[in-house]
Amino acid sequence: GENVEQHPSTLSVQEGDSAVIKCTYSDSASNYFPWYKQELGKRPQLIIDIRSNVGEKKDQRIAVTLNKTAKHFSLHITETQPEDSAVYFCAAREANTGNQFYFGTGTSLTVIP
Amino acid sequence: EAQVTQNPRYLITVTGKKLTVTCSQNMNHEYMSWYRQDPGLGLRQIYYSMNVEVTDKGDVPEGYKVSRKEKRNFPLILESPSPNQTSLYFCASSNPRTGRAGGSPLHFGNGTRLTVT
Repeated sequence: GENVEQHPSTLSVQEGDSAVIKCTYSDSASNYFPWYKQELGKRPQLIIDIRSNVGEKKDQRIAVTLNKTAKHFSLHITETQPEDSAVYFCAAREANTGNQFYFGTGTSLTVIP
Repeated sequence: EAQVTQNPRYLITVTGKKLTVTCSQNMNHEYMSWYRQDPGLGLRQIYYSMNVEVTDKGDVPEGYKVSRKEKRNFPLILESPSPNQTSLYFCASSNPRTGRAGGSPLHFGNGTRLTVT
């Protein structure tokens, strides 16, 4: 099945700087890549997603890029704010198995005021 | 409001005492899934269901059971809980058929923090 790897596991940035989180996947048939933000004690919530027919998607301060050839996708957060501090998970949906989502192990982002 | 509802939010029990964590969604989603979250291990899938009466094992199914008798409900059953099942559990649902290619994202419940002593 699909294998998703996520790096780094922890990331600290100064407020206002950019943060980048990278994920790789193994199954070229995966066609949908969501990113989730999980604040302490809360459920993961979708912040942005990208489908395999698109190379980049942006929503205000967050953007996701997808390189299908290299099988990696990245989350970019610009002008970081303290409220961006959370754990971020990438995921890949494997088309061949119907609707299975495979998650990375998470990145704990700390934005230092 | 479209949501996935899990109950209870917190549960403390003793080894061997059967328990059920309920999950219900009001979005008419076909797909439902259970995950456990442990520090450093991310979200690991326990069981999933593609539709009513269709369930299958995820990556860590040992010690768990599920049922899908109705589309909206997907309870997680621990017949004989053990301390290694102490974890944070999330139920999630999605609809593979909606939207453009790739289906809809997973919608998560608020989680159930289980402690087995």
